[in-house]
Amino acid sequence: DVKVTQSSRYLVKRTGEKVFLECVQDMDHENMFWYRQDPGLGLRLIYFSYDVKMKEKGDIPEGYSVSREKKERFSLILESASTNQTSMYLCASSNWGGAPEAFFGQGTRLTVV
Amino acid sequence: AQKVTQAQTEISVVEKEDVTLDCVYETRDTTYYLFWYKQPPSGELVFLIRRNSFDEQNEISGRYSWNFQKSTSSFNFTITASQVVDSAVYFCALSHSGNTGKLIFGQGTTLQVKP
Repeated sequence: DVKVTQSSRYLVKRTGEKVFLECVQDMDHENMFWYRQDPGLGLRLIYFSYDVKMKEKGDIPEGYSVSREKKERFSLILESASTNQTSMYLCASSNWGGAPEAFFGQGTRLTVV
Repeated sequence: AQKVTQAQTEISVVEKEDVTLDCVYETRDTTYYLFWYKQPPSGELVFLIRRNSFDEQNEISGRYSWNFQKSTSSFNFTITASQVVDSAVYFCALSHSGNTGKLIFGQGTTLQVKP
C-alpha cells in the first residue's frame, strides 16, 4: 500500500517558534508538494520539489521554507510561526511526467498561539 | 490565469438521492488535465479521476459519473443513489500539461449524506 506519512496529526506551537513539518513517501516519487488548506480557499500550493535539493515556490511561499535532502523526505519549515499560519498542512507526492495523480498524507493541523 | 471554481460550499442530501457537484475552470492552455479528489474525515485526499482536455467522453465508475464539457469549461461530478459513506469534502483540480503534477484546487464542496 502506497503511503505518504506526515509526522504529526496535530501540533500546537507558540508565536515566534521555528516549526518543522516532516513528510515521508515510500513510492520513490520525484515530485513532492506542500499545500495549505483553509476553509473557503481550498488547497493552495506553498512549495514543491521535483528532485533532491531542488525546490520551487508555489502560490503562497511567504513565511515558509522547505528542505529536501533525501528523495523520500520533504520538510516544511516555518521560520517564525505566526497566528495566521494556523491551518491544515497537506503533503503530497507524485511521479514525474504526464500530469500524474498525487498521493496525499493525512494532514497536520497546526495551531499557532 | 488559471482558476477552479466550486460554487457549492455545502450540500446536504438524504441517502439514496442523486447529487451533482459542480466544477468550472479557467485556463488558456490547450492541453490540461482535470481531477476530482475526495477528502473523508480522516484527512487525506483520495484520487477519484483524471481527465485530459482532449477526451470529452463522460465516464462512469459504479455510482460515480463525470461530465466534462469544454464548451462550458465544466467538469461536474454526479453521485447516484448516495450513501452515508459518501459524506466528505470533494475537490476539483486543474493541472498543466507539464510533468510537475502541480494542481490548482477549487474551494471544495462539503457533501453531507443523511441516513
